Amino acid sequence: GEDVEQSLFLSVREGDSSVINCTYTDSSSTYLYWYKQEPGAGLQLLTYIFSNMDMKQDQRLTVLLNKKDKHLSLRIADTQTGDSAIYFCAEFTGSARQLTFGSGTQLTVLP
Amino acid sequence: NAGVMQNPRHLVRRRGQEARLRCSPMKGHSHVYWYRQLPEEGLKFMVYLQKENIIDESGMPKERFSAEFPKEGPSILRIQQVVRGDSAAYFCASSPSNEKLFFGSGTQLSVL
Repeated sequence: GEDVEQSLFLSVREGDSSVINCTYTDSSSTYLYWYKQEPGAGLQLLTYIFSNMDMKQDQRLTVLLNKKDKHLSLRIADTQTGDSAIYFCAEFTGSARQLTFGSGTQLTVLP
Repeated sequence: NAGVMQNPRHLVRRRGQEARLRCSPMKGHSHVYWYRQLPEEGLKFMVYLQKENIIDESGMPKERFSAEFPKEGPSILRIQQVVRGDSAAYFCASSPSNEKLFFGSGTQLSVL
Protein backbone atom coordinates (compact mmCIF):
# COMPACT_ATOMS: atom_id res chain seq x y z
CA GLY A 1 0.00 0.00 0.00
CA GLU A 2 0.93 3.65 -0.16
CA ASP A 3 1.59 5.74 2.90
CA VAL A 4 3.52 8.98 3.23
CA GLU A 5 4.50 10.24 6.66
CA GLN A 6 5.83 13.56 7.89
CA SER A 7 6.36 15.16 11.26
CA LEU A 8 3.65 17.70 12.00
CA PHE A 9 5.60 20.72 13.23
CA LEU A 10 9.00 22.37 12.83
CA SER A 11 10.21 25.68 14.26
CA VAL A 12 13.43 27.39 13.23
CA ARG A 13 14.98 30.80 13.70
CA GLU A 14 15.24 33.21 10.79
CA GLY A 15 18.50 32.68 8.93
CA ASP A 16 18.92 29.07 10.07
CA SER A 17 18.45 26.05 7.81
CA SER A 18 15.23 24.04 7.94
CA VAL A 19 15.11 20.32 7.22
CA ILE A 20 11.73 18.71 6.64
CA ASN A 21 11.67 14.93 6.50
CA CYS A 22 9.34 12.48 4.84
CA THR A 23 9.11 8.70 4.58
CA TYR A 24 7.17 6.76 2.02
CA THR A 25 6.42 3.09 1.50
CA ASP A 26 5.87 2.52 -2.21
CA SER A 27 9.18 1.47 -3.70
CA SER A 28 7.80 1.87 -7.22
CA SER A 29 7.45 5.64 -6.81
CA THR A 30 8.75 7.41 -9.88
CA TYR A 31 8.62 11.03 -8.77
CA LEU A 32 8.63 12.63 -5.33
CA TYR A 33 7.46 16.16 -4.77
CA TRP A 34 7.48 18.99 -2.28
CA TYR A 35 4.54 21.37 -2.24
CA LYS A 36 4.08 24.53 -0.16
CA GLN A 37 0.71 25.71 1.11
CA GLU A 38 0.23 29.15 2.61
CA PRO A 39 -2.91 29.95 4.66
CA GLY A 40 -6.04 30.02 2.51
CA ALA A 41 -4.11 29.23 -0.64
CA GLY A 42 -3.64 26.30 -2.97
CA LEU A 43 -0.56 24.16 -3.26
CA GLN A 44 2.53 25.58 -4.90
CA LEU A 45 4.89 23.07 -6.48
CA LEU A 46 8.31 23.83 -4.98
CA THR A 47 10.47 21.11 -6.42
CA TYR A 48 10.49 17.46 -7.37
CA ILE A 49 13.00 14.68 -7.81
CA PHE A 50 13.02 11.66 -10.08
CA SER A 51 13.51 8.37 -8.28
CA ASN A 52 16.86 7.63 -9.95
CA MET A 53 18.41 10.79 -8.47
CA ASP A 54 19.98 11.20 -5.03
CA MET A 55 19.98 14.96 -4.79
CA LYS A 56 18.56 18.01 -6.46
CA GLN A 57 19.44 21.61 -5.69
CA ASP A 58 17.42 24.65 -6.69
CA GLN A 59 18.58 27.96 -5.20
CA ARG A 60 17.85 27.75 -1.44
CA LEU A 61 16.19 24.34 -1.74
CA THR A 62 18.00 21.00 -1.58
CA VAL A 63 16.16 17.72 -1.93
CA LEU A 64 17.82 14.51 -0.76
CA LEU A 65 16.44 11.08 -1.64
CA ASN A 66 17.51 7.86 0.05
CA LYS A 67 15.70 5.27 -1.98
CA LYS A 68 16.96 2.35 0.09
CA ASP A 69 15.40 3.79 3.25
CA LYS A 70 12.50 5.41 1.36
CA HIS A 71 13.39 8.74 2.94
CA LEU A 72 13.03 12.15 1.36
CA SER A 73 14.10 15.47 2.84
CA LEU A 74 13.78 19.13 1.94
CA ARG A 75 16.43 21.54 3.18
CA ILE A 76 15.71 25.27 3.05
CA ALA A 77 18.83 27.36 3.48
CA ASP A 78 18.70 30.80 5.13
CA THR A 79 15.06 30.35 6.15
CA GLN A 80 12.99 33.51 6.00
CA THR A 81 9.69 34.47 7.65
CA GLY A 82 8.06 34.17 4.22
CA ASP A 83 8.91 30.48 4.27
CA SER A 84 6.41 29.90 7.09
CA ALA A 85 3.80 27.56 5.60
CA ILE A 86 2.74 23.93 5.48
CA TYR A 87 5.02 21.72 3.40
CA PHE A 88 3.64 18.56 1.84
CA CYS A 89 5.65 15.65 0.61
CA ALA A 90 3.98 13.61 -2.14
CA GLU A 91 4.83 10.54 -4.16
CA PHE A 92 3.68 9.60 -7.63
CA THR A 93 3.49 6.01 -8.74
CA GLY A 94 2.72 4.96 -12.25
CA SER A 95 0.51 2.13 -11.09
CA ALA A 96 -1.69 4.42 -9.03
CA ARG A 97 -1.47 7.30 -11.53
CA GLN A 98 -2.03 9.76 -8.72
CA LEU A 99 -0.19 11.69 -6.06
CA THR A 100 -0.29 10.44 -2.48
CA PHE A 101 0.31 13.20 0.05
CA GLY A 102 1.66 13.25 3.55
CA SER A 103 -0.24 15.14 6.24
CA GLY A 104 2.05 18.14 5.94
CA THR A 105 4.67 19.79 8.16
CA GLN A 106 3.85 23.19 9.60
CA LEU A 107 7.06 25.25 9.40
CA THR A 108 7.19 28.26 11.71
CA VAL A 109 10.05 30.71 11.29
CA LEU A 110 10.82 32.71 14.41
CA PRO A 111 12.44 36.16 14.21
CA ASN B 1 -0.33 31.39 -19.22
CA ALA B 2 -2.98 31.42 -16.52
CA GLY B 3 -2.76 28.81 -13.81
CA VAL B 4 -5.42 26.33 -12.83
CA MET B 5 -8.61 28.29 -12.20
CA GLN B 6 -11.20 27.14 -9.71
CA ASN B 7 -14.49 28.77 -8.91
CA PRO B 8 -16.09 29.67 -6.74
CA ARG B 9 -13.44 30.25 -4.06
CA HIS B 10 -16.05 29.88 -1.35
CA LEU B 11 -19.36 28.03 -1.58
CA VAL B 12 -21.97 27.85 1.15
CA ARG B 13 -24.75 25.31 0.92
CA ARG B 14 -27.48 24.06 3.26
CA ARG B 15 -27.82 20.37 3.95
CA GLY B 16 -29.59 18.62 1.08
CA GLN B 17 -28.61 21.14 -1.58
CA GLU B 18 -26.30 20.50 -4.52
CA ALA B 19 -22.76 21.83 -4.84
CA ARG B 20 -21.04 22.34 -8.19
CA LEU B 21 -17.35 23.07 -8.23
CA ARG B 22 -15.61 24.13 -11.43
CA CYS B 23 -12.05 23.76 -12.58
CA SER B 24 -10.39 25.09 -15.73
CA PRO B 25 -7.04 23.40 -16.28
CA MET B 26 -3.96 25.15 -17.55
CA LYS B 27 -3.79 25.61 -21.29
CA GLY B 28 -2.58 22.45 -22.98
CA HIS B 29 -3.23 20.21 -19.98
CA SER B 30 -5.51 17.27 -20.64
CA HIS B 31 -5.23 15.55 -17.24
CA VAL B 32 -7.37 16.76 -14.34
CA TYR B 33 -7.38 15.59 -10.75
CA TRP B 34 -9.66 16.43 -7.83
CA TYR B 35 -8.44 16.25 -4.25
CA ARG B 36 -10.19 16.95 -0.95
CA GLN B 37 -8.54 18.46 2.11
CA LEU B 38 -10.18 18.20 5.50
CA PRO B 39 -9.08 20.64 8.23
CA GLU B 40 -5.51 20.01 9.39
CA GLU B 41 -5.12 17.04 7.08
CA GLY B 42 -3.29 16.35 3.87
CA LEU B 43 -4.92 16.09 0.48
CA LYS B 44 -6.81 12.92 -0.38
CA PHE B 45 -7.20 11.82 -3.97
CA MET B 46 -10.74 11.68 -5.30
CA VAL B 47 -10.78 11.29 -9.07
CA TYR B 48 -8.56 11.50 -12.16
CA LEU B 49 -10.02 12.46 -15.52
CA GLN B 50 -8.88 13.03 -19.06
CA LYS B 51 -11.02 14.71 -21.67
CA GLU B 52 -14.46 13.03 -21.60
CA ASN B 53 -13.13 10.04 -19.64
CA ILE B 54 -12.92 9.08 -15.99
CA ILE B 55 -9.64 7.24 -15.58
CA ASP B 56 -9.64 6.54 -11.85
CA GLU B 57 -12.41 7.36 -9.38
CA SER B 58 -11.22 5.10 -6.59
CA GLY B 59 -11.08 7.96 -4.09
CA MET B 60 -14.57 9.24 -4.70
CA PRO B 61 -17.52 8.26 -2.47
CA LYS B 62 -19.83 5.91 -4.33
CA GLU B 63 -22.93 7.98 -3.69
CA ARG B 64 -23.76 11.65 -4.21
CA PHE B 65 -20.41 12.53 -5.82
CA SER B 66 -19.74 12.70 -9.55
CA ALA B 67 -17.18 14.32 -11.81
CA GLU B 68 -16.91 15.13 -15.46
CA PHE B 69 -14.44 16.73 -17.85
CA PRO B 70 -16.30 17.47 -21.08
CA LYS B 71 -14.72 18.04 -24.45
CA GLU B 72 -15.46 21.73 -24.14
CA GLY B 73 -15.54 23.64 -20.89
CA PRO B 74 -14.28 23.14 -17.35
CA SER B 75 -14.20 20.01 -15.24
CA ILE B 76 -17.09 19.84 -12.78
CA LEU B 77 -17.19 18.11 -9.40
CA ARG B 78 -20.80 17.68 -8.35
CA ILE B 79 -21.97 16.82 -4.86
CA GLN B 80 -25.66 16.08 -4.49
CA GLN B 81 -27.61 16.34 -1.22
CA VAL B 82 -24.66 17.76 0.69
CA VAL B 83 -24.12 16.86 4.34
CA ARG B 84 -22.02 18.62 6.99
CA GLY B 85 -19.23 16.07 6.54
CA ASP B 86 -18.74 17.31 2.97
CA SER B 87 -17.39 20.61 4.31
CA ALA B 88 -13.78 20.77 3.13
CA ALA B 89 -11.43 22.45 0.69
CA TYR B 90 -11.62 20.88 -2.76
CA PHE B 91 -8.57 21.27 -4.93
CA CYS B 92 -8.26 20.67 -8.63
CA ALA B 93 -4.94 19.99 -10.33
CA SER B 94 -3.99 19.69 -13.96
CA SER B 95 -1.05 18.11 -15.69
CA PRO B 96 0.33 17.92 -19.20
CA SER B 97 1.80 14.50 -18.71
CA ASN B 98 0.27 12.76 -15.73
CA GLU B 99 3.32 13.39 -13.56
CA LYS B 100 3.81 17.02 -12.58
CA LEU B 101 0.61 18.41 -11.10
CA PHE B 102 -0.26 22.09 -10.82
CA PHE B 103 -2.93 22.99 -8.31
CA GLY B 104 -5.62 25.63 -8.24
CA SER B 105 -6.40 27.77 -5.21
CA GLY B 106 -9.24 25.51 -4.18
CA THR B 107 -12.93 25.86 -3.37
CA GLN B 108 -13.86 26.01 0.29
CA LEU B 109 -17.22 24.30 0.70
CA SER B 110 -19.17 25.02 3.86
CA VAL B 111 -22.35 23.08 4.57
CA LEU B 112 -24.69 24.67 7.08
